[in-house]
Amino acid sequence: DAKTTQPTSMDCAEGRAANLPCNHSTISGNEYVYWYRQIHSQGPQYIIHGLKNNETNEMASLIITEDRKSSTLILPHATLRDTAVYYCIVRGISNEHGSSNTGKLIFGQGTTLQVKP
Amino acid sequence: GAVVSQHPSRVICKSGTSVKIECRSLDFQATTMFWYRQFPKKSLMLMATSNEGSKATYEQGVEKDKFLINHASLTLSTLTVTSAHPEDSSFYICSAREKVEPGNTIYFGEGSWLTVV
Repeated sequence: DAKTTQPTSMDCAEGRAANLPCNHSTISGNEYVYWYRQIHSQGPQYIIHGLKNNETNEMASLIITEDRKSSTLILPHATLRDTAVYYCIVRGISNEHGSSNTGKLIFGQGTTLQVKP
Repeated sequence: GAVVSQHPSRVICKSGTSVKIECRSLDFQATTMFWYRQFPKKSLMLMATSNEGSKATYEQGVEKDKFLINHASLTLSTLTVTSAHPEDSSFYICSAREKVEPGNTIYFGEGSWLTVV
């Protein structure tokens, strides 16, 4: 799976939008971009994923550049509870028919987002 | 999103004993489950991939005889840490992959804290 590069840490003011960048310049055509976050001492929480189109759900928006080499996760109105480590992961989708590729998630170091009052 | 549950959330065991951690997908069938461990202030490290009805695939450097994984059904996988030592103390996290395409998102459990004394 392609590697990703994220800033180590970011700050955001409460109520403002948090924009978390991710570079994945070696992404291949069948690889998705996934975002997870981990709040201290809990399991990672799924946020959103996309292939090439921008995606939005109740938690966040995902903007993927046209060449797919980078993406941005947007939390539109950050709250103190959004303070967490955010992981951007590129993942191929497993083949159900006997492929050895199980589509596993390999975590990098992520971005520590600190939302401040 | 789908729910993955781990039990126990915290366990303390004596050196030399074995401890079992369960991972259940509560509202979906999981053909594949993954086991991670995480040390303080570090990222998640994939230990093994567990496929229902077959032997687990271990990542390089992970001892399969020490970390026994059983994926007995489409909703249950277990990790047994055998002959535990203090250095096995860690946060263990499981995740499960939905069977349904597309994207087959992976969801994580809450994690299990293991302390070996």
